[in-house]
Amino acid sequence: LAKTTQPISMDSYEGQEVNITCSHNNIATNDYITWYQQFPSQGPRFIIQGYKTKVTNEVASLFIPADRKSSTLSLPRVSLSDTAVYYCLVGGVMDSNYQLIWGAGTKLIIKP
Amino acid sequence: NAGVTQTPKFRILKIGQSMTLQCTQDMNHNYMYWYRQDPGMGLKLIYYSVGAGITDKGEVPNGYNVSRSTTEDFPLRLELAAPSQTSVYFCASSFTSNEQFFGPGTRLTVL
Repeated sequence: LAKTTQPISMDSYEGQEVNITCSHNNIATNDYITWYQQFPSQGPRFIIQGYKTKVTNEVASLFIPADRKSSTLSLPRVSLSDTAVYYCLVGGVMDSNYQLIWGAGTKLIIKP
Repeated sequence: NAGVTQTPKFRILKIGQSMTLQCTQDMNHNYMYWYRQDPGMGLKLIYYSVGAGITDKGEVPNGYNVSRSTTEDFPLRLELAAPSQTSVYFCASSFTSNEQFFGPGTRLTVL
C-alpha cells in the first residue's frame, strides 16, 4: 500500500515561489497524484492533479518525475492568503477498489 | 448549485448514543466519500460509494455504517458513540475518482 510523506511545515514570504514535495515510493501504476488546500474550519479544496511530467493551471504547477515516486507542488508568487495546509493525495477509486492515501499535510505560512 | 451540504454543523453526543450525519450533493456525482479528520492530522477515509446501492469500507470503518439509496444522499451512521469518535467529519463527492468536492464538515464531540 502506498504511503505519502510530506514536510510538516514550511515558511515563505509574499511574492516568492514555494515548492512542496511529497514522497510516494509505492505508487501504483494507475494512481494519480492530487493536491488539495485546506483553510481552518473548511473542507479541502482541489488545487491540481497529474499522472506524470508537468501539469499547470491558473494557480499552481505540478512536477512529477519519470519514476513517479515523488511530486512537487509549485505555487508561484505566493500571497498571505496562500497560508493554509496542503495535502498530497495518491490514488483513486476504480469501481469498488480504492486506493486513496492522503499525506499528513504541510502547513504553509506566508509572511509579509 | 449548493455543492455538498452536511448537517448538522456541530453535535455533542454522550457515550453510547447514536446519530446520523447527513450528506447531500446536487452535482450528480457517482462517487461519494466520508472522511474523519482528527485535530492537526490528515484525512482518514471511513467509507466510500461508487454509485447508488454500492458502498465499501475505507481505512477506518469500525464503529460506522453507511447507505447509498440515491445518487444525492450518503448518510453516515454512528451506532454506539465512543470518545475516540470525537473528530471533524467531511463528506465529499466526485464525478470520477479524481477531483473531490468537500462539504463544510460536521464537528462531533463524544463525552
